[in-house]
Amino acid sequence: ETGVTQSPTHLIKTRGQQVTLRCSSQSGHNTVSWYQQALGQGPQFIFQYYREEENGRGNFPPRFSGLQFPNYSSELNVNALELDDSALYLCASSPRGGTAGYTFGSGTRLTVV
Amino acid sequence: AQSVTQPDIHITVSEGASLELRCNYSYGATPYLFWYVQSPGQGLQLLLKYFSGDTLVQGIKGFEAEFKRSQSSFNLRKPSVHWSDAAEYFCAVGGDSNYQLIWGAGTKLIIKP
Repeated sequence: ETGVTQSPTHLIKTRGQQVTLRCSSQSGHNTVSWYQQALGQGPQFIFQYYREEENGRGNFPPRFSGLQFPNYSSELNVNALELDDSALYLCASSPRGGTAGYTFGSGTRLTVV
Repeated sequence: AQSVTQPDIHITVSEGASLELRCNYSYGATPYLFWYVQSPGQGLQLLLKYFSGDTLVQGIKGFEAEFKRSQSSFNLRKPSVHWSDAAEYFCAVGGDSNYQLIWGAGTKLIIKP
């Protein structure tokens, strides 16, 4: 079975630009969650998608948005990038809503300059 | 408020010595507890998890953790560390009906030869 794959692995963007990060969930998993991990910190929950609908959201502004597709893959979109958005963005999939069965991808390292 | 505290930012141990990483949590419902490991620039790998039952749980790579409800703790242990254990370790708490994991700030493990 394949795990969670994220693309791209690294990305450099300019402040004010927009970015799209992608995640393919593990086979059999219908739930995808996104986390932001700033350098030297633990991950912070952005949102979760379950069966193509947002299932919960953390304390992130609306310029952070997402999508989940019928094959359960997902995108994270960030508009109007700020320097503080520089972080490792982690995608995790699970077989159902909730936190019990998370499998994490290796992340996308976003640098905003 | 829900939170996870990992009191030690860094821990240095000699190769072959025993290890204990501390984790204390605050959570309003029955907690699901997790330990994850992260190597530099990588995603998160699940070491072990506790949902219910036996309070001593075994994980991968020779790690174990003990859930102590009275102390709101879930400390990670290993009897003899190897140089390859050098990494950052994160404790997290979640719930079956909740959609997000709450994370500690992590403990960086340094192994002395």
